Amino acid sequence: TQLLEQSPQFLSIQEGENLTVYCNSSSVFSSLQWYRQEPGEGPVLLVTVVTGGEVKKLKRLTFQFGDARKDSSLHITAAQPGDTGLYLCAARKNTGNQFYFGTGTSLTVIP
Amino acid sequence: NAGVTQTPKFQVLKTGQSMTLQCAQDMNHEYMSWYRQDPGMGLRLIHYSVGAGITDQGEVPNGYNVSRSTTEDFPLRLLSAAPSQTSVYFCASSYFRGTEAFFGQGTRLTVV
Repeated sequence: TQLLEQSPQFLSIQEGENLTVYCNSSSVFSSLQWYRQEPGEGPVLLVTVVTGGEVKKLKRLTFQFGDARKDSSLHITAAQPGDTGLYLCAARKNTGNQFYFGTGTSLTVIP
Repeated sequence: NAGVTQTPKFQVLKTGQSMTLQCAQDMNHEYMSWYRQDPGMGLRLIHYSVGAGITDQGEVPNGYNVSRSTTEDFPLRLLSAAPSQTSVYFCASSYFRGTEAFFGQGTRLTVV
């Protein structure tokens, strides 16, 4: 099992629908990041959340860090085809230098 | 700025062969890491380095070696390639652990 589990693994929705992607762990993190990856490219950072309960908005994307800093969610409002991609959460534990990535959610938005 | 540069972009190896994947960054980042990406597994950490001369193992280090003789370069060596090492490999760098990671474009490796 991996440190960060994401759900769902695959998601296919129609343009205009809303969706939520989850990132869960049994470990506590000092910070958590969300990345988006397009085919043939490396992941690109979307946001970093640091404080338990923190909510950040990036246009139609809303990111939330769990109160206990063990989980996070990404909510997309009115999805567009340009949102298609692989969404990855990433975090480091409070101790140690390792930076872990989640299992990923592959999103397809159909026009 | 070039950012993070990985070479080669594609590689086919025969079982038992060795090779080195190159990674260079020009952002003066201290933290560099190698990941492999397999379907349904996200990115798994192979090795990482917190600065020149310092390396450590990640989640899946077996079969791979790294070195960090300079701040800029962080090569990944496959000692004796196996089909299980067929994957897409990404190198990343960041100013420090937990800050924004910048990725190369990846190396798609096939071991036959």
